[in-house]
Amino acid sequence: DSGVTQTPKHLITATGQRVTLRCSPRSGDLSVYWYQQSLDQGLQFLIQYYNGEERAKGNILERFSAQQFPDLHSELNLSSLELGDSALYFCASSVAGGGPYEQYFGPGTRLTVT
Amino acid sequence: DQQVKQNSPSLSVQEGRISILNCDYTNSMFDYFLWYKKYPAEGPTFLISISSIKDKNEDGRFTVFLNKSAKHLSLHIVPSQPGDSAVYFCAALNTGNQFYFGTGTSLTVIP
Repeated sequence: DSGVTQTPKHLITATGQRVTLRCSPRSGDLSVYWYQQSLDQGLQFLIQYYNGEERAKGNILERFSAQQFPDLHSELNLSSLELGDSALYFCASSVAGGGPYEQYFGPGTRLTVT
Repeated sequence: DQQVKQNSPSLSVQEGRISILNCDYTNSMFDYFLWYKKYPAEGPTFLISISSIKDKNEDGRFTVFLNKSAKHLSLHIVPSQPGDSAVYFCAALNTGNQFYFGTGTSLTVIP
C-alpha cells in the first residue's frame, strides 16, 4: 500500500460525458502527478501540482483539467469524452516539487468510454 | 513523439542469473533517469534513479548504467529472483519537471 488513494477504481461512461477522478496523496506529500496509461502505451505524464499550484504540464488535452485543493487532494476532470480516452489513470505523490524524488503511485482508476 | 523507448516488450531470465533491461532516449536535455517496477493491478513502484552527470548508480541488487553518448541506460538485476517478475518502466525527467516514460518491459524470472 503506497498510501495514495484513488477513487473510483473503475468508471464506465459514454462518449461526450464528463467525469472526475479523485486522488488523495500520502500524508505529508505536497506534490501530485497525474498520468494516463493507454493500452500498449507507456505512462503519459499529464500534469503536476505542488502545494495547490500547477508546477509542470505534459501531454494534457485541453478537454482535461486538474486542480489541487487546500487539503492537497487533487481532481482530474475529463470532459467531452472520446473512445480514445479509455485508459488507466494514475495519480502519484511526492514530498517535493521537483527533482527525482520518489513518487508513490496510487492503484489507478480504470476509465472505459463506450 | 516517444522520447523514451524500451524496445524489448518482454524478457525471460533464469533465477539467479542477471537481468538486463534496456532503455533509449532521444533528448539530451534530460536531468534524471528513473526505473519503476509495476505489478498487475498496482501502481508503479520507484526502484532507482540516476543523475545525468553520473554513469552508474547501485542499490543492492539493482544497478543502473547511463551511457550519455549513446543515449542509453540499462538496469541490471543481480541475482534475479522470481519476485522480480513484473513490468519495468524507465523514465526521464527534464528541467521543466516533465516526466517521460517508456512503454515497459515485462520481465519473467523462471525458478
